[in-house]
Amino acid sequence: KQEVTQIPAALSVPEGENLVLNCSFTDSAIYNLQWFRQDPGKGLTSLLLIQSSQREQTSGRLNASLDKSSGRSTLYIAASQPGDSATYLCAVGGSGNTGKLIFGQGTTLQVKP
Amino acid sequence: EAGVAQSPRYKIIEKRQSVAFWCNPISGHATLYWYQQILGQGPKLLIQFQNNGVVDDSQLPKDRFSAERLKGVDSTLKIQPAKLEDSAVYLCASSPDRGYTEAFFGQGTRLTVV
Repeated sequence: KQEVTQIPAALSVPEGENLVLNCSFTDSAIYNLQWFRQDPGKGLTSLLLIQSSQREQTSGRLNASLDKSSGRSTLYIAASQPGDSATYLCAVGGSGNTGKLIFGQGTTLQVKP
Repeated sequence: EAGVAQSPRYKIIEKRQSVAFWCNPISGHATLYWYQQILGQGPKLLIQFQNNGVVDDSQLPKDRFSAERLKGVDSTLKIQPAKLEDSAVYLCASSPDRGYTEAFFGQGTRLTVV
């Protein structure tokens, strides 16, 4: 059974700092991995999608890496801003590609001005 | 392009009452998902539809939860009777097809059972 874990559960950093969020999964037979952002009271916004054959994806100040063999992914946020404050969720899509996502519990990030 | 629409946004009910949530997916999306997100946890899939057929309902508590997708478009999720532990955010998502890589999420319905 696939399990997804995110560490740390919460993180507080000063504005401008570079930071890394971690995600680990127990079954390396995944179809893809996605990072989402969730603001309080809102739904999920997809940030980056990495296919199982890829090693990383970049969008603006965000970079996500994937190491299937070790069951790990990281989300790197460069030059953090107060507007980055949110909960970040990692989700894996199973090898059967049914579209079902298995989520971690999230990392709540606070960027202080 | 309009996003996934959900209603209501918030609902407070007493335990043992019934409640229904509504979802309208993005136009043309064949696959629709209902996820349950308990406070402090990641979302968990309750049920997945492909058009109006069920693909996966293995984690749906069928003794109290039911869902349908009318004519392969809108969907409703019902809880009857509700328990305190059903307090959560219920998220609806859709994607063009079950093999598509990205799902689009609605804003969710926050349910509080008292």
